[in-house]
Amino acid sequence: GENVEQHPSTLSVQEGDSAVIKCTYSDSASNYFPWYKQELGKGPQLIIDIRSNVGEKKDQRIAVTLNKTAKHFSLHITETQPEDSAVYFCAASVTGNQFYFGTGTSLTVIP
Amino acid sequence: KAGVTQTPRYLIKTRGQQVTLSCSPISGHRSVSWYQQTPGQGLQFLFEYFSETQRNKGNFPGRFSGRQFSNSRSEMNVSTLELGDSALYLCASSPETDTQYFGPGTRLTVL
Repeated sequence: GENVEQHPSTLSVQEGDSAVIKCTYSDSASNYFPWYKQELGKGPQLIIDIRSNVGEKKDQRIAVTLNKTAKHFSLHITETQPEDSAVYFCAASVTGNQFYFGTGTSLTVIP
Repeated sequence: KAGVTQTPRYLIKTRGQQVTLSCSPISGHRSVSWYQQTPGQGLQFLFEYFSETQRNKGNFPGRFSGRQFSNSRSEMNVSTLELGDSALYLCASSPETDTQYFGPGTRLTVL
């Protein structure tokens, strides 16, 4: 099955700086790559996703890039704010099949 | 639109007992997936139901089972509880596309 690796496991940045989280996947058939943000005591919240026919997608301060050849995708958060502090998960799936999640990145934004 | 709801939010059981968790998906969503989240193993896929049929299944023992009703509500059952079953159980609903939306989870503690 698919194997998704996520790095780093923890990340601390100063408020206003950028944060980058990277994921790699193993199954070349994977075609959907969402990112989730999970705050303490809550379920994961979808923040952005990308499909394999697109190389980059942006939504305000958040962007995701996908390199299908290298089988990796990254989450970029610019101008970080304290409310961005949370655990972020990447995932990969083939349409109609199960999701495989990375192990999560705990992001701390220091005011 | 109301989000995914899960009941109960917290549950305490003892070893050997069984438990049933409930999930109501977003209105109009026909797919419901269940995940187990633990600090050590991360988010692990249990199973997915689509139009009352189990469409995908993860690598969990037969003690974990589920079902989906005609109104798309889903239940999962864990029999003969073990200490290691203590976890946050998350339900996610999905429309026809891949996008999954998570509920707040049910925190199960097995004593």
